[in-house]
Amino acid sequence: KQEVTQIPAALSVPEGENLVLNCSFTDSAIYNLQWFRQDPGKGLTSLLLIQSSQREQTSGRLNASLDKSSGRSTLYIAASQPGDSATYLCAVEPGTYKYIFGTGTRLKVLA
Amino acid sequence: GAVVSQHPSRVICKSGTSVKIECRSLDFQATTMFWYRQFPKKSLMLMATSNEGSKATYEQGVEKDKFLINHASLTLSTLTVTSAHPEDSSFYICSARDQNELFFGSGTQLSVL
Repeated sequence: KQEVTQIPAALSVPEGENLVLNCSFTDSAIYNLQWFRQDPGKGLTSLLLIQSSQREQTSGRLNASLDKSSGRSTLYIAASQPGDSATYLCAVEPGTYKYIFGTGTRLKVLA
Repeated sequence: GAVVSQHPSRVICKSGTSVKIECRSLDFQATTMFWYRQFPKKSLMLMATSNEGSKATYEQGVEKDKFLINHASLTLSTLTVTSAHPEDSSFYICSARDQNELFFGSGTQLSVL
């Protein structure tokens, strides 16, 4: 059974700091891995999608990497801003379009 | 990116009533949509897969008669929580796939009194 774990569960950093969020999964047989952002009481916003044949994706200050063999993905946020404060979720797709989500990392960036 | 619209954003109802939640893909067609449930400070749990023109596929442990799903068109899926009870209070989120990426609605906070 695929399990997705995110560490740390919560993180508080000063503005401007670079940070790394971690996501690990137990079964390396995945098609996609996707990172999302969720603001309190809101839906999910897609940040980055990494397909199984890819090793990383970048969008602005965000960079996500994927190492299928070790069952790990990281989300790197450069020069963090208070507007980055949210919960970050990673999800893996083992197939059949069904995503399995991690429990998330609650990020707070202090001004 | 693609847009998925979900309504209503918040519902408060009395125990025993039914609540309908709509999920629309605004700029793409979605033969398959997904319904998730999220408890406070917990991750998303897939409830069911909604298939256009056919029956929904429910995950293990999800009551089909409690959570009715209808996917009558390529842009609309609805989730009806029938005879809602306080334990059904939760945050419900729908999603749809456009090409290879999953997009989510803004969610519906259901509170059953």
